[in-house]
Amino acid sequence: GQNIDQPTEMTATEGAIVQINCTYQTSGFNGLFWYQQHAGEAPTFLSYNVLDGLEEKGRFSSFLSRSKGYSYLLLKELQMKDSASYLCAVLDSNYQLIWGAGTKLIIKP
Amino acid sequence: EAQVTQNPRYLITVTGKKLTVTCSQNMNHEYMSWYRQDPGLGLRQIYYSMNVEVTDKGDVPEGYKVSRKEKRNFPLILESPSPNQTSLYFCASSSTGGGDEQYFGPGTRLTVT
Repeated sequence: GQNIDQPTEMTATEGAIVQINCTYQTSGFNGLFWYQQHAGEAPTFLSYNVLDGLEEKGRFSSFLSRSKGYSYLLLKELQMKDSASYLCAVLDSNYQLIWGAGTKLIIKP
Repeated sequence: EAQVTQNPRYLITVTGKKLTVTCSQNMNHEYMSWYRQDPGLGLRQIYYSMNVEVTDKGDVPEGYKVSRKEKRNFPLILESPSPNQTSLYFCASSSTGGGDEQYFGPGTRLTVT
């Protein structure tokens, strides 16, 4: 079966750095997405990786290793507004998105 | 403003009473999709559509119907809702599906008693 694993919950301090991991086992791979979802709101796009390596976008970076079935989202200079759930999703061989259950990130002052 | 709209945003209904949740996008996207989101389970796809008059089942299609008669609209129909369909529903669209960013509607919180 297809599986996406993320930690359920993480806590970090304002101003610090946090890394949210995602491991996947899917039938084929055509890219990996990260979305941010604030409580009670819709998910919003953060990043898309299809090749190995690190993609940086402001305070957020996303890394992919296809050989290891592994990705992480790195958030720097954490702000209170970064408190949200972070969803990892993999595009499989049929170009269907397989979603992880999400990681709830709690930022403390 | 580019957006996906859903209506209603909140709905409480009773078992067996047919309902429709509307979804509309103004970005001329070909791909549209419906998801449900339940605690601890993440987003699960119900149905998706690659273009007008083309719809396919997702992971959890039982108890749902969709139609895509126009490019901008993709309504979700529950012919006979049951309590296990109580959930948060999201409509989403993207340019062509696949590796494109998906734009989500604001969500519809449905309670079936």
